[in-house]
Amino acid sequence: GIQVEQSPPDLILQEGANSTLRCNFSDSVNNLQWFHQNPWGQLINLFYIPSGTKQNGRLSATTVATERYSLLYISSSQTTDSGVYFCAVDPYYGGSQGNLIFGKGTKLSVKP
Amino acid sequence: NAGVTQTPKFRVLKTGQSMTLLCAQDMNHEYMYWYRQDPGMGLRLIHYSVGEGTTAKGEVPDGYNVSRLKKQNFLLGLESAAPSQTSVYFCASSYSVRGNQPQHFGDGTRLSIL
Repeated sequence: GIQVEQSPPDLILQEGANSTLRCNFSDSVNNLQWFHQNPWGQLINLFYIPSGTKQNGRLSATTVATERYSLLYISSSQTTDSGVYFCAVDPYYGGSQGNLIFGKGTKLSVKP
Repeated sequence: NAGVTQTPKFRVLKTGQSMTLLCAQDMNHEYMYWYRQDPGMGLRLIHYSVGEGTTAKGEVPDGYNVSRLKKQNFLLGLESAAPSQTSVYFCASSYSVRGNQPQHFGDGTRLSIL
């Protein structure tokens, strides 16, 4: 099955710093989503981005489907950005049922 | 907007007991999913449903059963709980699997099996 790898596994930043999180996937995908899991365990949708670039405030994401990777950019980080960031893909093969395959996540800690 | 609501939020069971987790969505979504999250890992799909009256197995279905008798509800059952089923369970739903239709997640159910 498709493999989803996220890097780095852990990241510590000072407040105000910028960061880039990466998601590599091993096969074509129908869908790619980025999530933020906050310290209370809630999963928050950040982006639905199977290809192209999107921006939402200080966050932006780019997916290059032909090269099988996606990047999540966080600018001017804040302590509230802390948590785990997950990339999840819906494999293209077999006809999509929306079943997401998650990476193991990047744990981000933003220090004041 | 309630979105996706999971009941209960926390539960402790003894090995061998049974229980049902309820997921309810008020967005008229066709697709519903149950995932589990274990420490240090991403979510893994247990079962899913592509519409009322349908269910299908995901990546880790053993030890679980599901039912989708009403479009808005998706139930996850543990017939005989085992310690290996200690996990956080998430329910998700989406309107479609085409176009800009992301999955929306509930807040999770923390389940401990002693």
